Amino acid sequence: QKEVEQDPGPLSVPEGAIVSLNCTYSNSAFQYFMWYRQYSRKGPELLMYTYSSGNKEDGRFTAQVDKSSKYISLFIRDSQPSDSATYLCAMSAGGILTGGGNKLTFGTGTQLKVEL
Amino acid sequence: DGGITQSPKYLFRKEGQNVTLSCEQNLNHDAMYWYRQDPGQGLRLIYYSQIVNDFQKGDIAEGYSVSREKKESFPLTVTSAQKNPTAFYLCASSLDRSTDTQYFGPGTRLTVL
Repeated sequence: QKEVEQDPGPLSVPEGAIVSLNCTYSNSAFQYFMWYRQYSRKGPELLMYTYSSGNKEDGRFTAQVDKSSKYISLFIRDSQPSDSATYLCAMSAGGILTGGGNKLTFGTGTQLKVEL
Repeated sequence: DGGITQSPKYLFRKEGQNVTLSCEQNLNHDAMYWYRQDPGQGLRLIYYSQIVNDFQKGDIAEGYSVSREKKESFPLTVTSAQKNPTAFYLCASSLDRSTDTQYFGPGTRLTVL
């Protein structure tokens, strides 16, 4: 079983819909959670960063963490065609890798398509 | 403009050849990372470095080598020992060892012919 599970999709929604993207994880030590957006053949772009449980909102995006269920979500309101991309969740226990740096564990990504 | 640059964007290699992928950052970040991305798999860590002249193996280091001679540069060499090198390679950096958020470059697509 993978440490982080993410439905690969594709998820297709009409423009203006509310999108819910999710990840589950098995490592209870994870306490830092990130969402990245990746357009085709581009590098991932950091969208949201949250620590521990709770909600965080930034414009049309809301990140939600439920540590008791080991479940994180990203909600996109009023979805636009420009939101069409692959969304990656990533998480960290906050530990420091041997020799420095920080260990992130990534989901496989969910492909989202917002249609006109 | 601060950011991470990777070159080339596309790279083709014949079997048995070594190739070097470039990664440069002007964010003044201490830590740098190399990941490999394959379809249906999450990003996998190849190598990382926190300071100049020091680097560590990640989860899939076999067949790869790196150097960190300057803070802003972290090139990755894909050697002929890497059995399945065709992939999308991503370089990332973070402010320091205690910072979780990593920022990514645009990636290099390597294809072995």
